[in-house]
Amino acid sequence: NAGVTQTPKFRVLKTGQSMTLLCAQDMNHEYMYWYRQDPGMGLRLIHYSVGEGTTAKGEVPDGYNVSRLKKQNFLLGLESAAPSQTSVYFCASSYPRDRTFTDTQYFGPGTRLTVL
Amino acid sequence: AQKVTQAQTEISVVEKEDVTLDCVYETRDTTYYLFWYKQPPSGELVFLIRRNSFDEQNEISGRYSWNFQKSTSSFNFTITASQVVDSAVYFCALLKTSYDKVIFGPGTSLSVIP
Repeated sequence: NAGVTQTPKFRVLKTGQSMTLLCAQDMNHEYMYWYRQDPGMGLRLIHYSVGEGTTAKGEVPDGYNVSRLKKQNFLLGLESAAPSQTSVYFCASSYPRDRTFTDTQYFGPGTRLTVL
Repeated sequence: AQKVTQAQTEISVVEKEDVTLDCVYETRDTTYYLFWYKQPPSGELVFLIRRNSFDEQNEISGRYSWNFQKSTSSFNFTITASQVVDSAVYFCALLKTSYDKVIFGPGTSLSVIP
């Protein structure tokens, strides 16, 4: 049981390049999330998904797209990277006990992205 | 509006001292969850505790204890007899049950000096 895994761990991009971050979980969780972490700002939610085939915007969605084609995977895409997207990206997943609340979120190890 | 405030940006203590990390939250919901996460220098986020809004009982887990007070909207975290391995950034977070999203505080960086 690997929990939540993220690929890659590190990446350097040039401005304007595109890339996709992959998050995978083997806990059969319904909900998945992408956060970014910047110094002094804690974690901010980019996008999230409450189930396969569904996605929704979080606090800071601009410049990112996501897809949840399979329950276990949640992809975060940057179509045209900008230096402001230099950050550490965390994926998380959780399993709701019912449809009214979400249980604890479990996090992946993070991806450190630098955009030059 | 929902918000989590961790007023202490950085704290330094000498090993074996006790330290309390403050967390104040804002929400209009009557049902919500509060969390603490630890982020050691290695970078991963480690879940420490979850508390729901109906359970104000304090909790103790080894050297860790949590004090939840709805009257002051606070959920403080105390480490007793701190150790160097406690050095990390600690995040307090709030989950609004009807929204299914977690709002994180900015974090408190704790340094325990040997």
